[in-house]
Amino acid sequence: DGGITQSPKYLFRKEGQNVTLSCEQNLNHDAMYWYRQDPGQGLRLIYYSQIVNDFQKGDIAEGYSVSREKKESFPLTVTSAQKNPTAFYLCASSIANSPLHFGNGTRLTVT
Amino acid sequence: ILNVEQSPQSLHVQEGDSTNFTCSFPSSNFYALHWYRWETAKSPEALFVMTLNGDEKKKGRISATLNTKEGYSYLYIKGSQPEDSATYLCAFYSSNTGKLIFGQGTTLQVKP
Repeated sequence: DGGITQSPKYLFRKEGQNVTLSCEQNLNHDAMYWYRQDPGQGLRLIYYSQIVNDFQKGDIAEGYSVSREKKESFPLTVTSAQKNPTAFYLCASSIANSPLHFGNGTRLTVT
Repeated sequence: ILNVEQSPQSLHVQEGDSTNFTCSFPSSNFYALHWYRWETAKSPEALFVMTLNGDEKKKGRISATLNTKEGYSYLYIKGSQPEDSATYLCAFYSSNTGKLIFGQGTTLQVKP
């Protein structure tokens, strides 16, 4: 079955530690996206990539980094520079003008 | 930052009521407008992708219209059912950046 897999579902980290969220897709989609959701807010774009080895900053990229070395994979690293990292993170992919396919999300808690 | 606004923020209706929400987006650099339904404990699911001014799309009791010149889209639900309870998100796809920017969503609660 094709789809997007995000892991883990829940992640706990201490403040000051970097943490990487995994996103893998087997849909052969060119574009991949990372969004963040906070309580009472919509989805805010962190980074996106339209092709392998290329990615662009979204609206809230500060404190985050990504890589796109393979078409299937778009990992997101939350660095210690991100001031409020506790949030729900959603990864998505798409092709051409098709709608996004979303993963199930990772809930990150930093204490 | 591109501004995509949805209203109302939340809505409570009785089963059988019809309802509608609004999505406002920039009228320049338009490429597409997406609508998604996000149920609790699930991933967002696509409802419609709209690309042409005047587009109307329908899926069962849910329909949507698009006005790209004035920068708005309406989502209509006819005869709301409890299973329609969800957050409805619109997203604007910009032709010059390739970004897909979401509004903050409208949360619908349908009471039986």
